[in-house]
Amino acid sequence: GENVEQHPSTLSVQEGDSAVIKCTYSDSASNYFPWYKQELGKRPQLIIDIRSNVGEKKDQRIAVTLNKTAKHFSLHITETQPEDSAVYFCAALSGSARQLTFGSGTQLTVLP
Amino acid sequence: DTEVTQTPKHLVMGMTNKKSLKCEQHMGHRAMYWYKQKAKKPPELMFVYSYEKLSINESVPSRFSPECPNSSLLNLHLHALQPEDSALYLCASSQVDMGWVNTEAFFGQGTRLTVV
Repeated sequence: GENVEQHPSTLSVQEGDSAVIKCTYSDSASNYFPWYKQELGKRPQLIIDIRSNVGEKKDQRIAVTLNKTAKHFSLHITETQPEDSAVYFCAALSGSARQLTFGSGTQLTVLP
Repeated sequence: DTEVTQTPKHLVMGMTNKKSLKCEQHMGHRAMYWYKQKAKKPPELMFVYSYEKLSINESVPSRFSPECPNSSLLNLHLHALQPEDSALYLCASSQVDMGWVNTEAFFGQGTRLTVV
């Protein structure tokens, strides 16, 4: 089955700096890669996603890059703000398996 | 309506109790999921229903029993749970296109379960 590794497990940045979180996956059949943000006590919410036929996607301060050959994808947050503080999970979806596999999560703390 | 609704939000139950968690979505999604999430850990897949049929059971103990009465509803029946089953239980749903799941999973707010 799919295995997703995520690094780092914790990340502290100063407000206004950039944050980068990296994930690798094992199943070459995975074709969809969402990123979820989960605030304390709340549900995971999708912040950005990318499909295997695209190398990069950007939405305002958030971007995701995908390297299919190397089987890794990254989340980039620019101009970080305190409200970006949360746990971020990457995930990989194997469509035929109908199963989303999550990375272990990154606790991002943005210091004011 | 882009919501997945879960009830109850909180549940405290004894080890001999029987209770049920409920999940509802009206987005026309034909894949529905139960996840278990412990504090500071990622969601852990328990069950997947596709077109109202159980397609994946991730070796979950029989004290957890899922049910999908129709395309909008998903239940999780609980019986004889253990304290270590205390967790946040998340329901999610996804669109299925020609048999393939290829879009995001929408999560409900979860049920915070405490087993005493």
